Amino acid sequence: QPVVTQSPSASASLGASVRLTCTLSNGHIYYAIAWHQQQPQKGPRFLMKVDSDGSLNRGDGIPDRFSGSSSGTERYLTISSLQSEDEADYYCQTWGSGIEVVFGGGTKLTVL
Amino acid sequence: QVQLRESGPGLVKPSQTLSLTCAVSGVSVSSGRYYWSWIRQSAGKGLEWIGRVYTGGSTSYNPSLKSRVTMSIDTSKNQFSLNLSSVTAADTAIYYCARDLTFQEGAYFDYWGQGTLVTVSS
Repeated sequence: QPVVTQSPSASASLGASVRLTCTLSNGHIYYAIAWHQQQPQKGPRFLMKVDSDGSLNRGDGIPDRFSGSSSGTERYLTISSLQSEDEADYYCQTWGSGIEVVFGGGTKLTVL
Repeated sequence: QVQLRESGPGLVKPSQTLSLTCAVSGVSVSSGRYYWSWIRQSAGKGLEWIGRVYTGGSTSYNPSLKSRVTMSIDTSKNQFSLNLSSVTAADTAIYYCARDLTFQEGAYFDYWGQGTLVTVSS
């Protein structure tokens, strides 16, 4: 069963870019992950799926300034041209061979 | 567009059964293309996947909750349900329903409900 790990917090300035990292446990280098955004007091919103080869599947209506990439056991979410509404919690999740779902602990993004 | 909305009691007594329903619009739960999942979020444990149900009644559950969880699907009402028995304070959480792409692309969720808070207390 894979495990995904995220840094608890990140910050970046308005208009800048930020890259958030989701790290898969050893031995799970070929696993895909999904990124979800949770704005304050709201339910999560699917952003994109990131495969091990870096290919993406974005959610409906997700702007291009949200992008993803992959390197080894790390999966990234890059947000460019940061806006105030991007201040949110960002969760990654993956799934095991038994299709059981695991979530990371989330990264709280602060837009300065 | 696809929308999901959770409903059910906001307060459940310890040892009783928590029952929630997720009403789906914009897509048929009987289409056969999707699973339908429940996820919860508590302050202590973050996001936790509870389980999924498929049209026809096929289910899979989180092993840590399996002994207490039952899910079902009602195609006539285009909704699906969660029952969690023998609840304790540890089951206090916001409960979300979501569309699950396990059948197509992988076990992740592309549409979520807004969530409903369930508190377990006497």
